[in-house]
Amino acid sequence: QQQVKQSPQSLIVQKGGIPIINCAYENTAFDYFPWYQQFPGKGPALLIAIRPDVSEKKEGRFTISFNKSAKQFSLHIMDSQPGDSATYFCAAGGNAGNMLTFGGGTRLMVKP
Amino acid sequence: EAQVTQNPRYLITVTGKKLTVTCSQNMNHEYMSWYRQDPGLGLRQIYYSMNVEVTDKGDVPEGYKVSRKEKRNFPLILESPSPNQTSLYFCASSRGKETQYFGPGTRLLVL
Repeated sequence: QQQVKQSPQSLIVQKGGIPIINCAYENTAFDYFPWYQQFPGKGPALLIAIRPDVSEKKEGRFTISFNKSAKQFSLHIMDSQPGDSATYFCAAGGNAGNMLTFGGGTRLMVKP
Repeated sequence: EAQVTQNPRYLITVTGKKLTVTCSQNMNHEYMSWYRQDPGLGLRQIYYSMNVEVTDKGDVPEGYKVSRKEKRNFPLILESPSPNQTSLYFCASSRGKETQYFGPGTRLLVL
């Protein structure tokens, strides 16, 4: 049973569009919510992360929105570019060791 | 260059033939983990280690073993591989639970 549910599984947008990827979690002990970006043939790499004491975090064109009461968080990519085409994973972490629970991933394609 | 290395990158084996996938990091990180990546299931943690000689099960530990005899190395052992262990495996290291640095992956096919 996945504790972090991610949607959609795949997403196609035009260049300049704003893809939005959503995640929902169940465990209220989670207190760290990172997003990872993975290009084909590579390992995932940390993109941006948020803690539940803030509702939004921006880094460049990437924004995380966090809704603690709904137990949901999302990734927005402003002015998306073909180079953003990748698989994106949300994750959630708690106090247990370094356990990160990942969502199922979203394959994003940005068309030129 | 700070990195996590895995070997081999690709492996084809047969059911029941013991294999080891090595993982090494040069960042002096305390935490190391193994994940498997399967379509639609994301990354699922197999085992993790918080320091030398300290290991614990993740979400899907069945059929796998690990050891942490040195800080830099965290090998994944499949004593008797089965076809359902065909997957893409990633090793990761971190200073704590934040910013995990992933290796390039090992693609395993068990026939």
